[in-house]
Amino acid sequence: SQTIHQWPATLVQPVGSPLSLECTVEGTSNPNLYWYRQAAGRGLQLLFYSVGIGQISSEVPQNLSASRPQDRQFILSSKKLLLSDSGFYLCAWSLQAGLEKLFFGSGTQLSVL
Amino acid sequence: SQELEQSPQSLIVQEGKNLTINCTSSKTLYGLYWYKQKYGEGLIFLMMLQKGGEEKSHEKITAKLDEKKQQSSLHITASQPSHAGIYLCGADRGTSGSRLTFGEGTQLTVNP
Repeated sequence: SQTIHQWPATLVQPVGSPLSLECTVEGTSNPNLYWYRQAAGRGLQLLFYSVGIGQISSEVPQNLSASRPQDRQFILSSKKLLLSDSGFYLCAWSLQAGLEKLFFGSGTQLSVL
Repeated sequence: SQELEQSPQSLIVQEGKNLTINCTSSKTLYGLYWYKQKYGEGLIFLMMLQKGGEEKSHEKITAKLDEKKQQSSLHITASQPSHAGIYLCGADRGTSGSRLTFGEGTQLTVNP
């Protein structure tokens, strides 16, 4: 069966520090991978998605970047965190493009102070 | 403007009561997804609706997609404390890739 792992679960970082959140999927090959952010009390906002190794599409301009160094690994990064980067970050995967449901990781609560 | 509007934003019901959450889109829905989220946790897939007029049920939760495919409702019958959480609807844009956009969510509290 397929599983998705996301870590860390919580993170407190000072403004201006770097960020690296990691997500890995097991039990499937060539998944579509996604990073979402959920601000407190708000809905989910798609940040990045990837259909293959090294292929990253950004949905909104921001202080963050994403990379996919391996087929089932998706990394969310920042060189210098801003206060506005605080939020709940969710990684997700789907089997392929089109009408496929997303499977979500357990999320990372990021607080930038 | 928000592409998906969910109502109500929050809901408090007594255990055993029925409730309905609505999701309205400003555009035609090619696929409508319902997810449930416990606070600070990942999202759990509930149901996906594609066809106008489609209705699906899972245990005591029923979701419908209207004929015009621009509105969906999630109905919970005889609510239980275990139903508490945030319910989010997600819409497929109809382009390549499962790039769902989500509503703001409905916070459901079920009092015993």
